[in-house]
Amino acid sequence: SQQGEEDPQALSIQEGENATMNCSYKTSINNLQWYRQNSGRGLVHLILIRSNEREKHSGRLRVTLDTSKKSSSLLITASRAADTASYFCASGLTDSWGKLQFGAGTQVVVTP
Amino acid sequence: KAGVTQTPRYLIKTRGQQVTLSCSPISGHRSVSWYQQTPGQGLQFLFEYFSETQRNKGNFPGRFSGRQFSNSRSEMNVSTLELGDSALYLCASSLGTTLSGANVLTFGAGSRLTVL
Repeated sequence: SQQGEEDPQALSIQEGENATMNCSYKTSINNLQWYRQNSGRGLVHLILIRSNEREKHSGRLRVTLDTSKKSSSLLITASRAADTASYFCASGLTDSWGKLQFGAGTQVVVTP
Repeated sequence: KAGVTQTPRYLIKTRGQQVTLSCSPISGHRSVSWYQQTPGQGLQFLFEYFSETQRNKGNFPGRFSGRQFSNSRSEMNVSTLELGDSALYLCASSLGTTLSGANVLTFGAGSRLTVL
């Protein structure tokens, strides 16, 4: 079963706009990660935020984490056509190496 | 350095057959995890191996098995294939220790299995 839910399921925006997607999870976590997947290929790690952090930035990415609400958000600023992909949040559990619990994903389409 | 390599990339099998998928992790990575991805169930954890030992296991039937060799390469096997086993099987590697403090996974491109 999926650890979390992602919202929205799909997002369509134009280049230059910001894309925001949200993720909720169910159990206590050690960290929360975001991955991107292009059209049925492997996943690529984007960013990790630890359970004691509230916000993290990496390039055009901003991630927030609210452990009290068991939720996280990913913001992609100034979107590009190359950002078209599915985005997944993944919960990293303590001492569960290699076992991430993934959300259902948000499919993002960025139109030139 | 080379990424995670999965073979074969595509394969077609019929019900009742068995299949073996292979994964070569990034050099130096001792943990290998396997995931099944389907449109209906999403990404589901199968199992994780570290230093040739299964360390974590997901909720899959015994038809799904795996192993890891001394060079960290891993294989997974699915016996008595069912139509519902059609999926993208993803392998991921990581350091697998507390040194980095987190379990960031590097994924391969996947093996797409179709069961007819």
